[in-house]
Amino acid sequence: EVHLLESGGGLVQPGGSLRLSCSASGFTFSDFAMVWVRQAPGKGLEWVSALSGTGFSSYYADSVKGRFAISRDNSNSTLFLQMSNLGVDDTAVYYCARDTSDFPSEYFQHWGQGTLVTVSS
Amino acid sequence: IMMTQSPATLSVSPGDRATLSCRASQDIGTNLAWYQQKPGQVPRLLIYGASTRATGFPARFSGSGSGTDFTLTISSLQSEDFAFYYCQQYDHWWTFGPGTKVDIK
Repeated sequence: EVHLLESGGGLVQPGGSLRLSCSASGFTFSDFAMVWVRQAPGKGLEWVSALSGTGFSSYYADSVKGRFAISRDNSNSTLFLQMSNLGVDDTAVYYCARDTSDFPSEYFQHWGQGTLVTVSS
Repeated sequence: IMMTQSPATLSVSPGDRATLSCRASQDIGTNLAWYQQKPGQVPRLLIYGASTRATGFPARFSGSGSGTDFTLTISSLQSEDFAFYYCQQYDHWWTFGPGTKVDIK
């Protein structure tokens, strides 16, 4: 069974940094692209970033480009999202999700439970 | 690619039919997915390829459409179907629609 578990969320001041992790199990991690999707309180879903199975190809939404960095450790089946220069608009639940193949291109069948990031002074 | 959904809220009686619409700002073929999200829960993939039902969802859920206009139909609403529904295009990167809330009339 596919299982994704995010961690690393919390309260951070504007301008601060945070690193999220997503631990995966139940499948061959390196065979699948992974993504981060966020949901601000009471709002809809927003794709944030995607990374190929090899880790060589990464993609970012315009809203986070230059501030967030996605990476992965295939030997430990873990996905990361390094977030810097955080603003109040980055407050959201951050979900990691699995794509359908090794290249980020389609829909997300498996989602983690999410981790809440709150940016506030 | 921008995604719009209508209506924002749909009030339906149990047993009635619900029709949700999703529109893309440009042709996305059938590269469209629908997700169901209940309050406090994780989104669940419901439909992909515009019309293929994901594992675990009953046949009362159906998707249709191609190009720019798509529809999610719930033929006879059950109590467990009251939720938010989001469409998502994956033709060029990924964009979600703002969602439709299906609530009890």
